[in-house]
Amino acid sequence: DTGVSQNPRHKITKRGQNVTFRCDPISEHNRLYWYRQTLGQGPEFLTYFQNEAQLEKSRLLSDRFSAERPKGSFSTLEIQRTEQGDSAMYLCASSLPGTDTQYFGPGTRLTVL
Amino acid sequence: GQSLEQPSEVTAVEGAIVQINCTYQTSGFYGLSWYQQHDGGAPTFLSYNALDGLEETGRFSSFLSRSDSYGYLLLQELQMKDSASYFCAVRDRSNSGYALNFGKGTSLLVTP
Repeated sequence: DTGVSQNPRHKITKRGQNVTFRCDPISEHNRLYWYRQTLGQGPEFLTYFQNEAQLEKSRLLSDRFSAERPKGSFSTLEIQRTEQGDSAMYLCASSLPGTDTQYFGPGTRLTVL
Repeated sequence: GQSLEQPSEVTAVEGAIVQINCTYQTSGFYGLSWYQQHDGGAPTFLSYNALDGLEETGRFSSFLSRSDSYGYLLLQELQMKDSASYFCAVRDRSNSGYALNFGKGTSLLVTP
């Protein structure tokens, strides 16, 4: 296992469409995070899983966003009825329990036309 | 709420030393991390300070003063490949305590 992987790497969609992204964390990492990053800004926290439990959701996460981690391994992030303001890089990270190092994936760049 | 302040841009010459400062305001502080991000790349962990003092890892060092809500990243013997964005990030009690709150980043340009 070489690291966190995310698919797709790029997604272009039309406003109003639904999109789903996938994240595969490092295999033994039970903590998984989703962040969003726009140009010139740092990553912004969206949500956090410990195993399959979603323990934290940011106020940034509107009702159009939903995330799952059904078996405590991979996770999906779905955005419904996309808006142009959703255009961003969506980053996934994972970590081991008891550590402070988060390992980031390459991200999915979303463009909403 | 919480906020982090760091310079937006820094330029330095190859071989030199550069210091990137970070001040923060948080509601309950656990620790300060530093991440490097090259254009188009993923953030990569550099260092973490939970206690006051200096942590050294090769050419990079990180310092924390909890009483001053201040930290810095020190990069020595700069190389061209160090040109990247550097983010400070805090873990605090504003969320689960595990997620990171990032600053806006400092763009470092290393020139020949």
